[in-house]
This record gives sequence, structure tokens and C-alpha cells, in this order.
Amino acid sequence: GAGVSQSPSNKVTEKGKDVELRCDPISGHTALYWYRQSLGQGLEFLIYFQGNSAPDKSGLPSDRFSAERTGGSVSTLTIQRTQQEDSAVYLCASSPQDTQYFGPGTRLTVL
Amino acid sequence: EDQVTQSPEALRLQEGESSSLNCSYTVSGLRGLFWYRQDPGKGPEFLFTLYSAGEEKEKERLKATLTKKESFLHITAPKPEDSATYLCAVQVTGFQKLVFGTGTRLLVSP
Repeated sequence: GAGVSQSPSNKVTEKGKDVELRCDPISGHTALYWYRQSLGQGLEFLIYFQGNSAPDKSGLPSDRFSAERTGGSVSTLTIQRTQQEDSAVYLCASSPQDTQYFGPGTRLTVL
Repeated sequence: EDQVTQSPEALRLQEGESSSLNCSYTVSGLRGLFWYRQDPGKGPEFLFTLYSAGEEKEKERLKATLTKKESFLHITAPKPEDSATYLCAVQVTGFQKLVFGTGTRLLVSP
């Protein structure tokens, strides 16, 4: 079946611009996660959605980062006023229970 | 603080040369330990979940084991197509997020 999809696959932006990254989870998966993978570092948790519950935002690095999940399916991660340190691969994962299945990621480059 | 450490950082093997990757963890309570494989430019691909000490899982040339402090990923008679970065992650009791190690880059030469 179809896996997790993310768009765009690559995004180049200028410092100070806003960006939106999209994630389409596996159909039927109730949980959705965003992680960030910076060069030479492990995956870093950003935010977690589960059904209609309030999201766990404990990993968001600053108030420039926000995310929403509409209709319990598609999710959008928004980064406002991008900075060069935001350059990374942003990975989305969905899960039916414990195991998380990852998408291909969006590579964000902030010039 | 919950922590995951993987070793070695990089490993070069000849085809057919078996070896093991290590993942040691320090957590308040372990809900599950996960192994993923990541190829360049791709997202992590799920391999195994282990829940309790003594548990073992196998898939083709890979075997994962778990103790109370660490996990091993054993690779038997590896092939060049096994070359990838192998990631270990833990899920802590009471939380859903995964805490990842920085991975082991494996290169298998023909």
C-alpha cells in the first residue's frame, strides 16, 4: 500500500521567509509525528498528533515553528521567519500503534 | 535525561564478514526499542521492535537482541546492499516520541 508521502521533496528559501511542509500519512494511522534531522545529528522530535487529542508540542524549538493536522489526516509544518539554523531534513512519520513509519522527508535549505 | 548511544559511528566490512552494531540506552523506563535502516536521501525504514530483555528478532541477515542496557544488531554474511546507516531509537514509558541515536554508517565492500 501507499506509504507516508511528503512535499515538497526539496525546498530552498531565503532567510526570513515563511515555509510550509506537507505530510500525507498512511491511511488509517491515527498518530502523526514530525522530526528534524540535521547533518551529523540524530533525529530530533518536534511534534506529535494523536486523533483529536491536543498535540504534544514539547519538541518545537521556538515559537517560529507550528504545525496543524486537518481532519485527522494531512499535516502541515510551518516555519516562520526562517533562519539558517533551520536548514535540515524534516521527516514525517505515522503510526497505527507503536511502530512509526517514515516518509522520504523534505530537505530545507535556508540561504 | 533519556539517552541513546550507538557504536561504532562507522564500520567497513568485507562481503561475508559478520559483525555487530551496538546501541546502549539510558531511560527512565523502556516501552520499546526500534531499529531502522536509512539509505542516503531517504527516510528511515523500519526493521525491528524489541520490548523486553532477552527478546530477539530476525530478518534475513539481520538479528536484533535486547538486554536491560543495550541492544545489538548482528549482521551475518553481509552483502553490499546492506550498506546503509542503521538507526536505533527508544520509546520511553509514558511517551510516544522516539529518542534516536546518531546511527552507525555501514559500508560493505564486495
